[in-house]
Amino acid sequence: EAQVTQNPRYLITVTGKKLTVTCSQNMNHEYMSWYRQDPGLGLRQIYYSMNVEVTDKGDVPEGYKVSRKEKRNFPLILESPSPNQTSLYFCASRPRAAGGNNEQFFGPGTRLTVL
Amino acid sequence: AQSVTQLDSQVPVFEEAPVELRCNYSSSVSVYLFWYVQYPNQGLQLLLKYLSGSTLVKGINGFEAEFNKSQTSFHLRKPSVHISDTAEYFCAVSDPRKTSYDKVIFGPGTSLSVIP
Repeated sequence: EAQVTQNPRYLITVTGKKLTVTCSQNMNHEYMSWYRQDPGLGLRQIYYSMNVEVTDKGDVPEGYKVSRKEKRNFPLILESPSPNQTSLYFCASRPRAAGGNNEQFFGPGTRLTVL
Repeated sequence: AQSVTQLDSQVPVFEEAPVELRCNYSSSVSVYLFWYVQYPNQGLQLLLKYLSGSTLVKGINGFEAEFNKSQTSFHLRKPSVHISDTAEYFCAVSDPRKTSYDKVIFGPGTSLSVIP
């Protein structure tokens, strides 16, 4: 089954304790993104990647890191989480299509609470 | 810069009634337009998209949307809603001119609640 998986689905942590949220896709997609979803703000892009070892900042990258060492994986790293990073996080992937057909495939989400 | 406005944050509607969820975008160029749906505790999935051609686009689950260039709108409609349509709906836009990474901008979302 074609899918994007994220782990963990739920996480409660404390300020300053480093954490990683994993994302993996089995569709051989070139593009991957991380979003955060907050009430009234919709989805905001944190980081994106166009291929292995190619990443760039989105709209709200502060406090986050990513890496793309393999095509299928795109982990999100919070080196020192803070309460304002409490949010619902989504990973998404899509193929690189000529003409920019941008349908994205989303993971199920990770609900993070930072105390 | 592109932006997306969804005028209604919450829309309650009775079962079997029609519904329209409004979406307006700002862009000086042609765009691609999308509607995504997010069911409770799930990720987003594509409902429908407009790339070019016919301005009336049909999607899954009986939804359709009409692209209106002069009004820069892409409203989503369904003639008769079901309880199972209760979800969050997101309008999104992207720029087809981009040859590198083409960013997708999401609206703030509209929460549709179908009342039995």
